[in-house]
Amino acid sequence: DQQVKQNSPSLSVQEGRISILNCDYTNSMFDYFLWYKKYPAEGPTFLISISSIKDKNEDGRFTVFLNKSAKHLSLHIVPSQPGDSAVYFCAASDVSGGSEKLVFGKGTKLTVNP
Amino acid sequence: DTGVSQDPRHKITKRGQNVTFRCDPISEHNRLYWYRQTLGQGPEFLTYFQNEAQLEKSRLLSDRFSAERPKGSFSTLEIQRTEQGDSAMYLCASSVTGGAFFGQGTRLTVV
Repeated sequence: DQQVKQNSPSLSVQEGRISILNCDYTNSMFDYFLWYKKYPAEGPTFLISISSIKDKNEDGRFTVFLNKSAKHLSLHIVPSQPGDSAVYFCAASDVSGGSEKLVFGKGTKLTVNP
Repeated sequence: DTGVSQDPRHKITKRGQNVTFRCDPISEHNRLYWYRQTLGQGPEFLTYFQNEAQLEKSRLLSDRFSAERPKGSFSTLEIQRTEQGDSAMYLCASSVTGGAFFGQGTRLTVV
């Protein structure tokens, strides 16, 4: 059973526009959420995280929004650049429950067209 | 290079052979993780160490798999009697708190 779901396998946007990547989770015990970017043949690269006590976290062009009642988070990239083309993974953990395990979604492949 | 280092990058082995992978975490990181990723999936958690103590293990980690972190620094992941289903990318990550930083992975192919 997928506890973290990324329902869009792929997304294509134009350079300079906004990219919105979505993620849903089912486990209400999750209290820490992360986004990773992955290029082919490389390990995932940490992008940004958010604790469940917040509903927004921003770092440069990347903003993560968390809606706990809907068990939904999203990653906004503004403006999108061709170098952002990669697979993006959403991950979650139950930190206050003592687990260090990250549960990942299946990823969304983002293509930013010049 | 101060990132997470994994060795080897690629390993091809015959079914039934044993393989061992090494991970060197970022030096000040006390937490170390192993994940496995197959095609079209996100990384799946295998096990977690805090210093030398193995604190969490996934049910994915069958008795053919063993991981160690003897001095709380580098870690090894051994797979005994490899099966074709073990073919995957094996990822190591480390952290202090917050987001874990991943290495480039070891691609295992069992033929």
